Amino acid sequence: DAGVIQSPRHEVTEMGQEVTLRCKPISGHDYLFWYRQTMMRGLELLIYFNNNVPIDDSGMPEDRFSAKMPNASFSTLKIQPSEPRDSAVYFCASSRPLAYNEQFFGPGTRLTVL
Amino acid sequence: SQQGEEDPQALSIQEGENATMNCSYKTSINNLQWYRQNSGRGLVHLILIRSNEREKHSGRLRVTLDTSKKSSSLLITASRAADTASYFCATDALGNSGGGADGLTFGKGTHLIIQP
Repeated sequence: DAGVIQSPRHEVTEMGQEVTLRCKPISGHDYLFWYRQTMMRGLELLIYFNNNVPIDDSGMPEDRFSAKMPNASFSTLKIQPSEPRDSAVYFCASSRPLAYNEQFFGPGTRLTVL
Repeated sequence: SQQGEEDPQALSIQEGENATMNCSYKTSINNLQWYRQNSGRGLVHLILIRSNEREKHSGRLRVTLDTSKKSSSLLITASRAADTASYFCATDALGNSGGGADGLTFGKGTHLIIQP
């Protein structure tokens, strides 16, 4: 298996622009997680899905952030409009059923908002 | 919010020595996991210890868990240059679905440097 795939790997955009991050989880994994990593706050859970349904989005910082999972093999995290404080590395992770929450991470998307 | 706090924040040792990192957490847990992150890469799962376990081994890794003190330690024996990375503990809080999956709460990590 190719592991969790994220695109793009790097994104540089200007404040106010819309940003869309993409994730393909490992086949057969029914949980998908979006995390954000910054130097100041470390790794933070933003939202997670089970069988394509959002379960907990309490970590989404504000209404500018939205996430979707239209099918079992694809998820997006959208920021609109983007702000400089959104600059971070965004990770997607997936987990298989009954695995006691061992999560497999993608390589991340480094987002820079100017 | 941060659950785990790793200690030390940074650790530099000579190749071949043992490295010990500690993690403290605040709430009751189903399990505790350790992950490694190489610079510019995603996190890699190393080992998981359940709340009813006290010690676990995997290759050169040894993890202990003391639920009464809400603490865990990760020992890497006979360190190698390739072990240079950041190490994070992550907790799966009690009240989550146990055998299922929920969001993990990560500490800020210990940055380990192995000097050749």
